[in-house]
Amino acid sequence: DTGVSQNPRHKITKRGQNVTFRCDPISEHNRLYWYRQTLGQGPEFLTYFQNEAQLEKSRLLSDRFSAERPKGSFSTLEIQRTEQGDSAMYLCASSLAGGRAEQYFGPGTRLTVT
Amino acid sequence: AQSVTQPDIHITVSEGASLELRCNYSYGATPYLFWYVQSPGQGLQLLLKYFSGDTLVQGIKGFEAEFKRSQSSFNLRKPSVHWSDAAEYFCAVGAQGTYKYIFGTGTRLKVLA
Repeated sequence: DTGVSQNPRHKITKRGQNVTFRCDPISEHNRLYWYRQTLGQGPEFLTYFQNEAQLEKSRLLSDRFSAERPKGSFSTLEIQRTEQGDSAMYLCASSLAGGRAEQYFGPGTRLTVT
Repeated sequence: AQSVTQPDIHITVSEGASLELRCNYSYGATPYLFWYVQSPGQGLQLLLKYFSGDTLVQGIKGFEAEFKRSQSSFNLRKPSVHWSDAAEYFCAVGAQGTYKYIFGTGTRLKVLA
């Protein structure tokens, strides 16, 4: 297994455009998480899935953000009508079920909104 | 509410010197505690974790951390730093029963040759 993968690694978009990121978790992991990391900060939790069910969403996840995990495998995070404040690194992580299962992170997608 | 404080934004050490990175947390019960390392442009790699039991935990790359309940701390240590350890280090807390991690703001480590 090659770990968590994310695509694209970098995305530059103009304000107002929609963008979509993809995350492929470690194959046997049924939990998947999205975090956002801005410059000089630690990652902040956005949302998490167990299989295909989205079980928790942060209040950071405005109505312009939507995440899906349709078949319980890969996940997509879409941002509609991007704003400059959306510029950040978007990190995906996955884990096994169980309270003590540590999260493994992907390399992230760096979004720049111009 | 849970929170994590990493008081040192930047730390510079000479190669071969010892290292200690500080982490303090706020949580009502015994949390799950983690240290991650992030190299420039990369994701986070787990260095070590604490769930329960022995309060001194060993991790990868020669790192260790000690959980001190009385001080609400989980400091990361390494006896001899290598130039390749230069990176940003994040402490995180996970509450039992939830699955999201709360991260500190990170400590950027610079290693002098």
